[in-house]
Amino acid sequence: SQKIEQNSEALNIQEGKTATLTCNYTNYSPAYLQWYRQDPERGPVFLLLIRENEKEKRKERLKVTFDTTLKQSLFHITASQPADSATYLCALDRAGANNLFFGTGTRLTVIP
Amino acid sequence: SQTIHQWPATLVQPVGSPLSLECTVEGTSNPNLYWYRQAAGRGLQLLFYSVGIGQISSEVPQNLSASRPQDRQFILSSKKLLLSDSGFYLCAWSPYYNQPQHFGDGTRLSIL
Repeated sequence: SQKIEQNSEALNIQEGKTATLTCNYTNYSPAYLQWYRQDPERGPVFLLLIRENEKEKRKERLKVTFDTTLKQSLFHITASQPADSATYLCALDRAGANNLFFGTGTRLTVIP
Repeated sequence: SQTIHQWPATLVQPVGSPLSLECTVEGTSNPNLYWYRQAAGRGLQLLFYSVGIGQISSEVPQNLSASRPQDRQFILSSKKLLLSDSGFYLCAWSPYYNQPQHFGDGTRLSIL
């Protein structure tokens, strides 16, 4: 069955460093992959979408890579700030279905 | 611009009572609509999605049901709640299935 794994449940980094979050998937070849940010007791907020034919996507301090050979996406936040502390979710399109398949998320804490 | 409204924000219900959660979208027409449940420490579990009025697809068997009586209204219901129905319920919309999803603020449902 399709499976999504996000590298760790929680990640702590020092302010100003680059945070790198990992999303691995198996038994699947998605056409695109999305990243969302979720704050406690709030709905996820869309950040970036990357398609299978794109290697990299950037938006301000955010960068996403998509390696369909490794079946992996990396999500980077450069010059991290305490305000970046949140849970980050990756999501893949589901073949033949009109919806997304979400990972369990990585809780990022940026320490001042 | 488009907005999504979901209410109530919190709800405490006794076991065996009925449930009705409502979600409405403004500023767009014929959106794809979704209901998710998020248990503590778990990812988003897709419950139902709809691509049009009266069209509902169920992802998991459960004692919940969904309806879409109007183009931008999506309702999640239950006739008799179970303890296992506790969780954080999220409504979302997207213009098309492979586009980013936009979430409401969620309903925290506690069953006593």
